Amino acid sequence: KQEVTQIPAALSVPEGENLVLNCSFTDSAIYNLQWFRQDPGKGLTSLLLIQSSQREQTSGRLNASLDKSSGRSTLYIAASQPGDSATYLCASSQGGSEKLVFGKGTKLTVNP
Amino acid sequence: NAGVTQTPKFQVLKTGQSMTLQCAQDMNHEYMSWYRQDPGMGLRLIHYSVGAGITDQGEVPNGYNVSRSTTEDFPLRLLSAAPSQTSVYFCASSPGQGVGGYTFGSGTRLTVV
Repeated sequence: KQEVTQIPAALSVPEGENLVLNCSFTDSAIYNLQWFRQDPGKGLTSLLLIQSSQREQTSGRLNASLDKSSGRSTLYIAASQPGDSATYLCASSQGGSEKLVFGKGTKLTVNP
Repeated sequence: NAGVTQTPKFQVLKTGQSMTLQCAQDMNHEYMSWYRQDPGMGLRLIHYSVGAGITDQGEVPNGYNVSRSTTEDFPLRLLSAAPSQTSVYFCASSPGQGVGGYTFGSGTRLTVV
C-alpha cells in the first residue's frame, strides 16, 4: 500500500526566503506526482503535475522535482511571499485507475 | 468553464437521514473520484470511477454509494448519516490515461448531528 509522507508538517519563514518542501513515497510505481495548494476552508488548487517519465516541472516561482528511484519529490518556492502562505499537499497516482494517495501536507507561513 | 462543481457547499444532517452530494464536471474527463478530508487524517478516497457505468471502492467506502450514469455527473449518496461522516467532501476529475492531473471541486462541508 502506497504511503506518502510530507516533512515538515509546518514551516515558518521570512518573506523573500527560498524554501523546499519535501514529499516521500514508499512505492516507486507511480503514474504521476501532483502538488496542490489549499487555503483555509477552501478546495485544492493544482500547482504542478510531474508525469512518471519526467524529472521536474516549473511554473513561475515554483519548481517541482521527482526522483522515483529514491521515492522523493520536492517543491521549491523561490522568493517566498506572504501570499504563498497555505497548506501544500503532494499526491501520487497509482495504477491504471490513477487513484490519488495524499500526504498530510505542509502548512507554510510566510511572515512579512 | 466551470470545472468541477459541487453542491451543496454546506449541509447539516440528523443521524439516520440520507442525502446526495452532487458533483458535475464540464471538461469531458473520464476519471472522477470522491475524497473526504478530516483533521489529522488527510484526504482519503471514498469511491472512484474510470468512466460512465464503471465505479469502484476506495479506502473508506462504507456508508456511501455512487453511480456514474453520465460522463459529467458523479453523485455521492449517504445512505444513513452517522456523526462519523462529519467531514469535508471533495469531488475531483481527471482526463485519465496519464495525460493530465486532477481538478478538484470547492468541497461540501457536512455536519451530522
